[in-house]
Amino acid sequence: GQQVMQIPQYQHVQEGEDFTTYCNSSTTLSNIQWYKQRPGGHPVFLIQLVKSGEVKKQKRLTFQFGEAKKNSSLHITATQTTDVGTYFCAGDGGTSYGKLTFGQGTILTVHP
Amino acid sequence: DAGVIQSPRHEVTEMGQEVTLRCKPISGHNSLFWYRQTMMRGLELLIYFNNNVPIDDSGMPEDRFSAKMPNASFSTLKIQPSEPRDSAVYFCASSHGNTIYFGEGSWLTVV
Repeated sequence: GQQVMQIPQYQHVQEGEDFTTYCNSSTTLSNIQWYKQRPGGHPVFLIQLVKSGEVKKQKRLTFQFGEAKKNSSLHITATQTTDVGTYFCAGDGGTSYGKLTFGQGTILTVHP
Repeated sequence: DAGVIQSPRHEVTEMGQEVTLRCKPISGHNSLFWYRQTMMRGLELLIYFNNNVPIDDSGMPEDRFSAKMPNASFSTLKIQPSEPRDSAVYFCASSHGNTIYFGEGSWLTVV
């Protein structure tokens, strides 16, 4: 079955440093989504990427979808303490109902 | 605008007891998902409903787990009998289109 691998599992940064998490799928994806889960909270949708090579930005967050539509990355510039949480990628393998396979997530800790 | 509503938020139960988790999806959403989250296994899709019909239950762990969606505004996930390894956060989520909206989760502890 489809597998989505995400690295690193943990990332500790000082406030102001950059952060990147990477996502790789075993199969070509129809689209990829990114979610953020605050400690003790629930996953919240951030963005969806659909096109090969697509790049989208949300303020300090930059999302990329690989040319082969099998990998993606999330980059945060100048992290802030409010960025703390777990970032998940979720790949849609193109099933009829858009079944998402979630990566294991990257837990980001930001030290002030 | 109300989000996905789940109850109970927290439940502690003894092994062997029946557990029922409840979910009210966002009005107008025609897809409903039940996910389980643990440290070891991450976020796992248990079952997916579309227009109240179960479409994919391949993630349901075993016969102890069952899910129903009697109408568009209500779903239940039942575990009977519960076991300590069922301890996890159970999320209900709904969607209309590609974006999934998660509830705040039901934190289940089976002792």
